[in-house]
Amino acid sequence: SIELTQPPSLSVSPGQTASITCSGNELGDKFASWYQQKPGQSPMLVIYQDYKRPSGIPERFSGSNSGNTATLTISGTQAVDEADYFCQAWDTTTVVFGGGTKLTVL
Amino acid sequence: QLQLQESGPGLVKPSETLSLTCNVSGDSLSNSFHWGWIRQAPGKGLEWIGNIYYNGDTFPNPSLESRVTISMDTSKNQFSLRLNSVTAADTAVFYCARATGNAFDIWGRGTMVTVSS
Repeated sequence: SIELTQPPSLSVSPGQTASITCSGNELGDKFASWYQQKPGQSPMLVIYQDYKRPSGIPERFSGSNSGNTATLTISGTQAVDEADYFCQAWDTTTVVFGGGTKLTVL
Repeated sequence: QLQLQESGPGLVKPSETLSLTCNVSGDSLSNSFHWGWIRQAPGKGLEWIGNIYYNGDTFPNPSLESRVTISMDTSKNQFSLRLNSVTAADTAVFYCARATGNAFDIWGRGTMVTVSS
């Protein structure tokens, strides 16, 4: 099954744009989702089906998926966005998660 | 409002079977969704364990397939996980979640399971 690769960490200044990538063979042919996880909390879905935002997720979160790379973009990053982010894809009947990216806002 | 709650022993001995239950409230297990188990070892990433569909079909992670059983009890609105022959490497927080639109949109709070003698 597909393997998903994310950068382990990313640092961004407040107000800047954070772009977190998720790479996998022909990932663009599948739906990508993204989860935010803060310490001690359950993961929370922030993007599904490549670019859709669940109710309650701020507009500054956006997603794209093409070729071998899905990207989560956080525009105007805020301190509250500091968290671990995981991508996920559904490969027929198998679910795969990326290794996660720790986003630091400083 | 849909809520999921994991329950089960917090400590399991090596070589024994880990058993967890996810209680679903606010919706019916039979309402055309998929339901999944995901775990997270301390300080590590998320690992998908397997799914059960609303019709009872199960799809385990191929890497865990030989040790995993997922089942559902619609009368209790619960679904369950059994992981046998556990080792210390199975120590993790276990989450149950609802799947829709190729994503897990609702998660339980998670339950920590430690494998130790």
